[in-house]
Amino acid sequence: DVLMTQTPVSLPVSLGGQVSISCRSSQSLVHSDGNTYLHWYLQKPGQSPQFLSYRVSNRFSGVPDRFSGSGSGTDFTLKISRVEPEDLGVYYCLQSTHFPPYTFGPGTKLELK
Amino acid sequence: EVKLLESGGGLVYPGGSMRLSCAASGFTFTDFYMNWIRQPAGKAPEWLGFIRNKANGYTTEYNPSVKGRFTISRDNSQNMLYLQMNTLRAEDTATYYCARSVYYGSYVFDYWGQGVMVTVSS
Repeated sequence: DVLMTQTPVSLPVSLGGQVSISCRSSQSLVHSDGNTYLHWYLQKPGQSPQFLSYRVSNRFSGVPDRFSGSGSGTDFTLKISRVEPEDLGVYYCLQSTHFPPYTFGPGTKLELK
Repeated sequence: EVKLLESGGGLVYPGGSMRLSCAASGFTFTDFYMNWIRQPAGKAPEWLGFIRNKANGYTTEYNPSVKGRFTISRDNSQNMLYLQMNTLRAEDTATYYCARSVYYGSYVFDYWGQGVMVTVSS
């Protein structure tokens, strides 16, 4: 299975600030079709995960442009600008290039300073 | 509006069985792959498996970690998804989610239910 790691484990932020979350995979996520299947989710406290972005940098419907994804190969980053209270929670990356199984990262908790 | 509502969780003894259900609404059920994903308290989600859509023959794929013990099925006449879990272990204790897949070159989970808790304990 592809092992996903995320840093940091916890990320204190001030409202209005900017943060970056790193996600790394144990092998390249470039698929034989040329696409990279790395996706991001946010799990707010007491809720189920919600879909943020797909294929590294494509935001899902309704996700604000304060969220931006980047990266390639094995290293990926989710950047959040102008952090708002509704952005707090645990962020997970997910790979679907090497399947089965799909594998999630361990999560990064975004919390207030 | 897409809605997914799981049911059937609770307490089960080790070695026992349990069937979870997921009621889907707000979309054409037969057009979509459907998944089961679980999440132990305080840990990351773990994908368990999916059942394909009508166009792909409703076939299934599983995480090797549960293959042979868990079975996913669907009743398309009722817009229902099921997860049959056998020979349950303490490590199967988790919140179980059903999730719809959307195709973006690969199938990823766009909508999740609110989850149902399963506790395996004597």
